[in-house]
Amino acid sequence: EPEVTQTPSHQVTQMGQEVILRCVPISNHLYFYWYRQILGQKVEFLVSFYNNEISEKSEIFDDQFSVERPDGSNFTLKIRSTKLEDSAMYFCASSASRGGTEAFFGQGTRLTVV
Amino acid sequence: GQQLNQSPQSMFIQEGEDVSMNCTSSSIFNTWLWYKQEPGEGPVLLIALYKAGELTSNGRLTAQFGITRKDSFLNISASIPSDVGIYFCAGQLMNRDDKIIFGKGTRLHILP
Repeated sequence: EPEVTQTPSHQVTQMGQEVILRCVPISNHLYFYWYRQILGQKVEFLVSFYNNEISEKSEIFDDQFSVERPDGSNFTLKIRSTKLEDSAMYFCASSASRGGTEAFFGQGTRLTVV
Repeated sequence: GQQLNQSPQSMFIQEGEDVSMNCTSSSIFNTWLWYKQEPGEGPVLLIALYKAGELTSNGRLTAQFGITRKDSFLNISASIPSDVGIYFCAGQLMNRDDKIIFGKGTRLHILP
């Protein structure tokens, strides 16, 4: 069964450092998403991406965040200068149709900022 | 901003019992989704609801989309140990094609 894969599964970084979280969406999907889940809290939408551009972003997704699809398979989330409050699980998702209504989620990357 | 109010926050039930949880909102949703998340995993879609009043089943799971498109419930019948996890309702707002908003989750515990 096709799946969304994320790497690394766990990343520890020092405050102020840049991190890149990587995702390989399902191959025939066209819509890509990043979500964040702070420990014990709900899943929060960050950004959606289609046709090589951001289609929607939340207020969390400020100038410190960026997304890119550098080649035909990877979808990355970059945090330029990490803060302690960026510590969370980051989930990538992809869907074949718009709206992410049947989006498939990856297993997540646990980011710990120290 | 828009939010989903999910209840209860947590449930402790005996194996074999039925479970019911629900979500409400002041906003109208185009689509309503129910996800399950297990520790260390990403959310897994259980049921998607598209039409007002729609009642959909997936095995022992049944969910309904409210007539006003502002609420939904999820029922699990005859619970088993592997039902343990966090259940999230999520919705796609009308006229907001890409963003899906999640509720805070219902943590289901099953007692032997």
